[in-house]
Amino acid sequence: EVQLVESGGGLVQPGRSLKLSCAASGFTFNNYYMAWVRQAPKKGLEWVATISTRGTTTYYPDSVRGRFTVSRDNANSSLYLQMNSLKSEDTATYYCARHSNRLSFDWWGQGVMVTVSS
Amino acid sequence: DIQMTQSPASLSASLGETVSIECLTSEGISNDLAWYQQKSGKSPHLLIYSASNLQDGVPSRFSGSGSGTRYSLKISGMQPEDEADYFCQQSYKYPLTFGSGTKVEIK
Repeated sequence: EVQLVESGGGLVQPGRSLKLSCAASGFTFNNYYMAWVRQAPKKGLEWVATISTRGTTTYYPDSVRGRFTVSRDNANSSLYLQMNSLKSEDTATYYCARHSNRLSFDWWGQGVMVTVSS
Repeated sequence: DIQMTQSPASLSASLGETVSIECLTSEGISNDLAWYQQKSGKSPHLLIYSASNLQDGVPSRFSGSGSGTRYSLKISGMQPEDEADYFCQQSYKYPLTFGSGTKVEIK
């Protein structure tokens, strides 16, 4: 069974950094594009980052480009999100998600909460 | 960026009723449209991909249709477990974008 388990969330001050991790199991990790999607409290879904199978290509929306970096370790079936210069508007639940071959998200983790506040 | 306009924002339906949710895109997306269900406190769950393809394990009362810039999700015969938020997402090009969501409640 596919499992995606996020970790690394918490409370962080504005301007500081945080790194999220996602441990994947139950599928051949290096065959899939992977992504991060976030959801602010009581709000909708926002795509945050995508990384190609070998990690050579990454994609970001303007809202996080230059501040967030997605990476992966295929040997350990792990996905990461390095978040720098955090802002209050980055407060959200962050989900690790697997891309299908058509860039929809066919599996999601349980999510990890990130709160940016002084 | 492709803008997603999802409607209605909320709806209330009786058990057994058929409901539809619409998603309009700001440009054509060649049927690269997915629908997700998110129950309270849970992660989103893929229902439909490529506009009309049912994800494995999803009940057949869910169906998707549409083309060009207009897409819809239909629930044929509301069940108690269908009470949730529903989101559309275009998978046509980056940046990937979602609709604002529809809250579906049982009357």
